[in-house]
Amino acid sequence: RKEVEQDPGPFNVPEGATVAFNCTYSNSASQSFFWYRQDCRKEPKLLMSVYSSGNEDGRFTAQLNRASQYISLLIRDSKLSDSATYLCVVNRRGYTGGFKTIFGAGTRLFVKA
Amino acid sequence: DTAVSQTPKYLVTQMGNDKSIKCEQNLGHDTMYWYKQDSKKFLKIMFSYNNKELIINETVPNRFSPKSPDKAHLNLHINSLELGDSAVYFCASSQVGTGNEKLFFGSGTQLSVL
Repeated sequence: RKEVEQDPGPFNVPEGATVAFNCTYSNSASQSFFWYRQDCRKEPKLLMSVYSSGNEDGRFTAQLNRASQYISLLIRDSKLSDSATYLCVVNRRGYTGGFKTIFGAGTRLFVKA
Repeated sequence: DTAVSQTPKYLVTQMGNDKSIKCEQNLGHDTMYWYKQDSKKFLKIMFSYNNKELIINETVPNRFSPKSPDKAHLNLHINSLELGDSAVYFCASSQVGTGNEKLFFGSGTQLSVL
């Protein structure tokens, strides 16, 4: 079982739709949580951090449930430009020291006109 | 003034060759990484260096040798390239210490081994 699991999709939605992505992580020692976005043939870029209190940035809302080890991302009023792969990311201490950043396999989103 | 820059962007080579990928960051971060993204798009950490010291070395063949001459540079040398090494390699950097590290990535090096 992967340490960070995501539904790979793809999600195909019309413009204006609301779409939700889910992610689960298995290591309860995980300390910080993020969503990254990766466009085709580009590098991943930080979209937003995720907190238990929730985090909203415009049309994007991220939520963390530590008890369930569950992370979500909600995109409202989808735009064509939201089409990308969304990566769920978890930071934790490595077994030999240092921090490890673990990426989920990503969820692909296609927004159609 | 790219924050994390890596070269070359594309690398096409024959099996058995030795090649290097260079990475530099101007963000003043103390930690740098190499990630590999395979054909299934799964992004996996290979190495992490903190202030020139190796702190994470995943189960990567010893044909891969990272070198960090200073904390702003982390190069990756690959010996005896194999077909399975074909992938996109991303360099990244972050500032470690708070547990809230955010990664900044280079634009990637597409390696094709023929």
